[in-house]
Amino acid sequence: AQSVTQLGSHVSVSEGALVLLRCNYSSSVPPYLFWYVQYPNQGLQLLLKYTSAATLVKGINGFEAEFKKSETSFHLTKPSAHMSDAAEYFCAVSDEDYGGSQGNLIFGKGTKLSVKP
Amino acid sequence: KAGVTQTPRYLIKTRGQQVTLSCSPISGHRSVSWYQQTPGQGLQFLFEYFSETQRNKGNFPGRFSGRQFSNSRSEMNVSTLELGDSALYLCASSSPTGNTEAFFGQGTRLTVV
Repeated sequence: AQSVTQLGSHVSVSEGALVLLRCNYSSSVPPYLFWYVQYPNQGLQLLLKYTSAATLVKGINGFEAEFKKSETSFHLTKPSAHMSDAAEYFCAVSDEDYGGSQGNLIFGKGTKLSVKP
Repeated sequence: KAGVTQTPRYLIKTRGQQVTLSCSPISGHRSVSWYQQTPGQGLQFLFEYFSETQRNKGNFPGRFSGRQFSNSRSEMNVSTLELGDSALYLCASSSPTGNTEAFFGQGTRLTVV
């Protein structure tokens, strides 16, 4: 069975500091991996996705993530945090491939990112 | 291109009642998935519909049901509401062609009192 573990329910960084949000997955088949961001009272917005094309994935808002099969990890990073990055971040996995559509995502518990001025 | 639209945004119901939530996917998207988000359990998959057929189902009791219409709009229904059903219900739509992402709506906040 697939699962996702996000280490750290809360992460706090200073503005301008490196952001590192950790995600480890478990999947019996090559997975599709995603990072989503959620702002208060909003839905989820896709930051980036891994679909086996490249191990280093660049997303929106300066975020990127590296797929490491040997470590079953897909950590999210951003070199320099901005106040507007404060939100909750979710890592998700899917092994479904209905022609590429991801209809069944398994989410981690989420990590709330705080950015201090 | 309009996004995923969920109605209503907020809902208050009494325990024992039933509720219907609506989701209009992005034009051209035929897959609609529903998720429940609570502080305790996080984001949990409810079910997915594709071309009016339920293609996948999560681990929820039979009180949770859904359907999809020929125009791809979807509804989910919860009968005999319990206090624990209070949650943010999110709908996501995706296209079955190519390697595409799931686009989420803003959700319906259901409060059961």
